[in-house]
Amino acid sequence: EVQLVESGGGLIQPGGSLRLSCAASGFTVSSNYMSWVRQAPGKGLEWVSVIYSGGSTYYADSVKGRFTISRDNSKNTLYLQMNSLRAEDTAVYYCARENSGSLGAFDIWGQGTMVTVSS
Amino acid sequence: EIVLTQSPGTLSLSPGERATLSCRASQSVSSSYLAWYQQKPGQAPRLLIYGASSRATGIPDRFSGSGSGTDFTLTISRLEPEDFAVYYCQQYGSFPYTFGQGTKLEIK
Repeated sequence: EVQLVESGGGLIQPGGSLRLSCAASGFTVSSNYMSWVRQAPGKGLEWVSVIYSGGSTYYADSVKGRFTISRDNSKNTLYLQMNSLRAEDTAVYYCARENSGSLGAFDIWGQGTMVTVSS
Repeated sequence: EIVLTQSPGTLSLSPGERATLSCRASQSVSSSYLAWYQQKPGQAPRLLIYGASSRATGIPDRFSGSGSGTDFTLTISRLEPEDFAVYYCQQYGSFPYTFGQGTKLEIK
């Protein structure tokens, strides 16, 4: 079965760091473009970052310089390292696959992991 | 940044009726890179339409997408009870990828 499972969320103080993981099954992370998308409580969707199959990475301005997307090919897992966290980073974080078969639309999503930044 | 504006914010309809959701972009979006997603409470988004008009795998044919340039539409021909949810459009042709603010489709 093709699926993504996120983990690593939790309660963290402002200025702290957290690493989210997204374990894939049924397909190879390194062969796909993989994104992180977040959703603040009661709000809409916000794209955060993408890593291309070739390794190039791109970020939303709101997280540039603070977040780092990466992957471990041996573990078939995607990561999001989040540093200097702010209250406005509080959200459910989803990982998603961009599928070339759907012209790059996000066809597979994880269930999400909640990150709460608060003192 | 391409801003996507969805309308209406909330749409109240009854099962069996036709729903028309709009997504307007602040600048032209390549039709190849416009998608629609459905999200139900407590769930991840689900891909409905990609490339402005192609249905994703397993999506019923009552869902259809159309449009080009800056104006795109999602149509649900006959609403089923399970279709009441929030719908988002997304452009993924240029960075940053952006989503519309969503249209909530509620039961009248």
